[in-house]
Amino acid sequence: QVQLVESGGGVVQPGGSLRLSCAASGFSVSAHGIHWVRQAPGKGLEWMSFIRYDGSAKYYADSVKGRFTISRDTSKNTVYLQMDSLTADDMAFYYCSKDAYYASEYWGPGTLVTVSS
Amino acid sequence: QTVVTQEPSFSVSPGGTVTLTCGLSSGSVSTSSYPSWHQQTPGQAPRTLIYNTNTRSSGVPDRFSGSILGNKAALTITGAQAVDESDYYCVLYMGGGVWVFGGGTKLTVL
Repeated sequence: QVQLVESGGGVVQPGGSLRLSCAASGFSVSAHGIHWVRQAPGKGLEWMSFIRYDGSAKYYADSVKGRFTISRDTSKNTVYLQMDSLTADDMAFYYCSKDAYYASEYWGPGTLVTVSS
Repeated sequence: QTVVTQEPSFSVSPGGTVTLTCGLSSGSVSTSSYPSWHQQTPGQAPRTLIYNTNTRSSGVPDRFSGSILGNKAALTITGAQAVDESDYYCVLYMGGGVWVFGGGTKLTVL
C-alpha cells in the first residue's frame, strides 16, 4: 500500500530555514520520482520541486530556485526539501507526491509551514 | 510565462455530465504535456483522478475520464454526484523539468 507522510513543518521566522521530510512506504523512492507541491491558505496548488527516481536530476520552480534544495536518503526511503531564506510568501501546506508518467499519483497528507516573526 | 487556464467555476446537476478543461495561454495541450487531474475538498490533501491524459488512478470511479479535446485537456464527469462537489486542478508538464498547475475549477453539484 503506497503511503507518503510529510513532516518537519512548523513556525519559522522570516529569513529562517526548515527541512521537510517525505517518508515513503509501499514503494521505493529509488524507483519513482517525488514531487513537492505547496498550497498557500485559500490559494491553489503550486508545483515546487521534483527529484528523478535515480537522483540524477533535480528541478525547481523559479519562485524557489536557489533557496530550496531537494534531496533523498534511499536507505530511509525518504525525500527531503531544505528550505532557506523563507519569506511570508512561502507560508503554505507542503505536500509530497509519488510520480507516475510525469504527474503526481499518490499524495501525502501535507505539513504546514508558517513564516512569522 | 505560460499560464495554465481552467474555468474558475462550473455547475452541474446531479446525474448530469460536465467537462472541465485545461488549456495554455499560448499553444496547445497534447499528450506530451502529460495532463493530470486532481480533486481536492476543503481541508484535505489532493487526490489524483487522472494521469497521463486518460489513465484513472487506483480506486477512481469510472464516471471520471480524461481526454484531449481540441487544443485542451479535458476531465469529464458522467453522472455527477453530490460527493463530486470539489475543487479540480489540472497540471501540465512543460518540459525541461517544469510542471505548472492551473488555477483550479470549483465544481458545484446542484
